[in-house]
Amino acid sequence: GDSVTQMEGPVTLSEEAFLTINCTYTATGYPSLFWYVQYPGEGLQLLLKATKADDKGSNKGFEATYRKETTSFHLEKGSVQVSDSAVYFCALSDRDSGYSTLTFGKGTMLLVSP
Amino acid sequence: DGGITQSPKYLFRKEGQNVTLSCEQNLNHDAMYWYRQDPGQGLRLIYYSQIVNDFQKGDIAEGYSVSREKKESFPLTVTSAQKNPTAFYLCASSQRGNTEAFFGQGTRLTVV
Repeated sequence: GDSVTQMEGPVTLSEEAFLTINCTYTATGYPSLFWYVQYPGEGLQLLLKATKADDKGSNKGFEATYRKETTSFHLEKGSVQVSDSAVYFCALSDRDSGYSTLTFGKGTMLLVSP
Repeated sequence: DGGITQSPKYLFRKEGQNVTLSCEQNLNHDAMYWYRQDPGQGLRLIYYSQIVNDFQKGDIAEGYSVSREKKESFPLTVTSAQKNPTAFYLCASSQRGNTEAFFGQGTRLTVV
């Protein structure tokens, strides 16, 4: 079945540092890929998405590129802020089903210090 | 404002009792989903529904039940058969043909 593997955390950075959170996937079809963010005690918010190979999703300074050849969707940000501290989830959705039965990675906690 | 409302935010129940978690959406989405989140784990799919009066089991449906009598509502019942019910439960919805899912704020269930 489908699966998502992302780097374990916590990732601890100083403000303005460069962020990379690795995500790789296994899927039988051609999935859509997502990054969701979860702040403490809250639900998930969609951060960015990409629906086909070589697409780049971007939002709030975060970027991720759909790399089919390496089955990866790494999250990057050039300069993190304290307010970016949260848990980040990589996920995929089987587009053939037409619905969002998402498969998630285990999440990576990001802690940004001033 | 459109969105997904889960209630209550916190829920405490005694072991052996059934409990129902509410999920309502006003986004006019066709599909709704229930996920379970445990500490240090990703989200796992419990049940989903693509249309009123129809639903399918997800990866961890045992000990749970759902209904979909209205498009806007998808309540989840955690039954006494669920061996480890303490968790954070998240409801989501999406439009048909769109793989992007929108999530509610979650319900934290604690069974004592």
